[in-house]
Amino acid sequence: AQTVTQSQPEMSVQEAETVTLSCTYDTSESDYYLFWYKQPPSRQMILVIRQEAYKQQNATENRFSVNFQKAAKSFSLKISDSQLGDAAMYFCAYNAGNNRKLIWGLGTSLAVNP
Amino acid sequence: DAGVTQSPTHLIKTRGQQVTLRCSPKSGHDTVSWYQQALGQGPQFIFQYYEEEERQRGNFPDRFSGHQFPNYSSELNVNALLLGDSALYLCASSLVGPSTEAFFGQGTRLTVV
Repeated sequence: AQTVTQSQPEMSVQEAETVTLSCTYDTSESDYYLFWYKQPPSRQMILVIRQEAYKQQNATENRFSVNFQKAAKSFSLKISDSQLGDAAMYFCAYNAGNNRKLIWGLGTSLAVNP
Repeated sequence: DAGVTQSPTHLIKTRGQQVTLRCSPKSGHDTVSWYQQALGQGPQFIFQYYEEEERQRGNFPDRFSGHQFPNYSSELNVNALLLGDSALYLCASSLVGPSTEAFFGQGTRLTVV
């Protein structure tokens, strides 16, 4: 069975600094998708970044980038130049593709200190 | 584009009652998935609807049922509510096919007392 593990329940970062959130997963599939979602207090899940497993190049979206290590089944999120608005719960999620269900980690609560 | 809308936003029910939650997908989307997010946990997949049929189902009892209408909107029904059903219920919409990006609503906070 596929699983997603986030080993950091809480993280904090100083404004303008860089922080990395960790995620590992387990699957026997060769083709799949990985996601980082942000959930602010408003509760709505917002897609931060996604990575297709067949792509070797790490995805980047402005200040957000991932370090995708397929052999190690690791998918970490790096947030550069952290802003107060980045404070939220961050969830790592896995999908085997073709619109199948998302499997989620337990989340990491990120605090950004001014 | 209104995005994914869910109603109601908050709900309080008594143990043993029945509840119906509603979801309107993002414009153009044809697939709706429902997730249950207990406090301090990640979401758990309940089921997914496409073309008015249940395509996939997670590990939830038959007390949880759903429906999708011709306009792609969806309902989640929970019968015989238990205290443990208290959670945030999230609806996500997407397009069927290789593109798997899901868009989420703000959820319905259900409290069972």
